[in-house]
Amino acid sequence: DAGVIQSPRHEVTEMGQEVTLRCKPISGHDYLFWYRQTMMRGLELLIYFNNNVPIDDSGMPEDRFSAKMPNASFSTLKIQPSEPRDSAVYFCASSLRGNYGYTFGSGTRLTVV
Amino acid sequence: AQSVAQPEDQVNVAEGNPLTVKCTYSVSGNPYLFWYVQYPNRGLQFLLKYITGDNLVKGSYGFEAEFNKSQTSFHLKKPSALVSDSALYFCAVSPISGGYNKLIFGAGTRLAVHP
Repeated sequence: DAGVIQSPRHEVTEMGQEVTLRCKPISGHDYLFWYRQTMMRGLELLIYFNNNVPIDDSGMPEDRFSAKMPNASFSTLKIQPSEPRDSAVYFCASSLRGNYGYTFGSGTRLTVV
Repeated sequence: AQSVAQPEDQVNVAEGNPLTVKCTYSVSGNPYLFWYVQYPNRGLQFLLKYITGDNLVKGSYGFEAEFNKSQTSFHLKKPSALVSDSALYFCAVSPISGGYNKLIFGAGTRLAVHP
């Protein structure tokens, strides 16, 4: 398996633009997580899905952020409009029920200028 | 409140010496415990986990961790450090055992192994 695949690896955008981050989880995994990592706040869980259904989105910072999982092999995290304070590394992770650890993607480094 | 504490921002060790990266947690019940490692410009990689059983858990790359219920700690250890072990290490806890819940991560500890 190729692991959790995220795209793009790097994204530079101007303030006010829409940004879409993509994630392909490991085949067969039924949980998918979106995390954000910054120096100031460390790793923050934004939202997670179980069997494509959002379970907990309490970490989503505000309405500008939205996430979808239309099928078991694809998820998106969208920021509209983007702001400089959204600059961070965004990680996607997937896992199987049973709590045997997450597999993380390599992340998307977002810079909003 | 449920939380994970990694009291050291950075740990410095000479190559060949033993290393310890500390982690304590505050959750109810019997949690699952994890250690992850992050190398520069990479995602987090799973190192080891404690679910139940023997308090000493062995993981990848020669790492091990000791679960201490009375001290609510799960310290990461390695008998002989390598320069290539230099990375950011995260402790994580899942508050509910036997079921599923999100992982709570510590702030991370940067390990620097010097030649």
